[in-house]
Amino acid sequence: DSGVTQTPKHLITATGQRVTLRCSPRSGDLSVYWYQQSLDQGLQFLIQYYNGEERAKGNILERFSAQQFPDLHSELNLSSLELGDSALYFCASSVQGTSTDTQYFGPGTRLTVL
Amino acid sequence: GENVEQHPSTLSVQEGDSAVIKCTYSDSASNYFPWYKQELGKRPQLIIDIRSNVGEKKDQRIAVTLNKTAKHFSLHITETQPEDSAVYFCAASRRGNTGNQFYFGTGTSLTVIP
Repeated sequence: DSGVTQTPKHLITATGQRVTLRCSPRSGDLSVYWYQQSLDQGLQFLIQYYNGEERAKGNILERFSAQQFPDLHSELNLSSLELGDSALYFCASSVQGTSTDTQYFGPGTRLTVL
Repeated sequence: GENVEQHPSTLSVQEGDSAVIKCTYSDSASNYFPWYKQELGKRPQLIIDIRSNVGEKKDQRIAVTLNKTAKHFSLHITETQPEDSAVYFCAASRRGNTGNQFYFGTGTSLTVIP
């Protein structure tokens, strides 16, 4: 157990809908990262937050947004869902959010868009 | 941007033999290279990492080597055991002008045959 928690574990929804994925980092970690893992594209970095502020952006679609709250938990919002958004979404956390920080992954949320 | 290539995509070895997985990267600014093990349906787990100021790191049966000049790094697993069977991902990260960036290889599915 990495200490990173994610809810829900599974999410099934329809195209066009909006969902929110939640992540709580390890105690003491200030940075949160979001990743998408699909069968055909592997692990893709989406976005990083550090102490409430956006620190880095990867391949995140405009339909997706995220935020990190004062208690350091983070939410990833996915809107206007498409079939291709079906994937495992992982959150990771690290202490300081530098490029050499060790990241610890949560158990993931499996999103299925029907 | 960075491009991380990982080979082979699948690898089968006899129990007790060694396994080697190789990754190459394109951006000389990358400075952190972790390796993750992911079992089916589970989260990626960090197994070893190396920073750009080090050439080799070992942890029991697992070792990682880094050649900065050639821009490649490798994972070595000795005395393989059936529980080593999983998908292994390499990654490279760096600090960029717009923030940190994290890139993953496409994964190697390792099967250890008892």
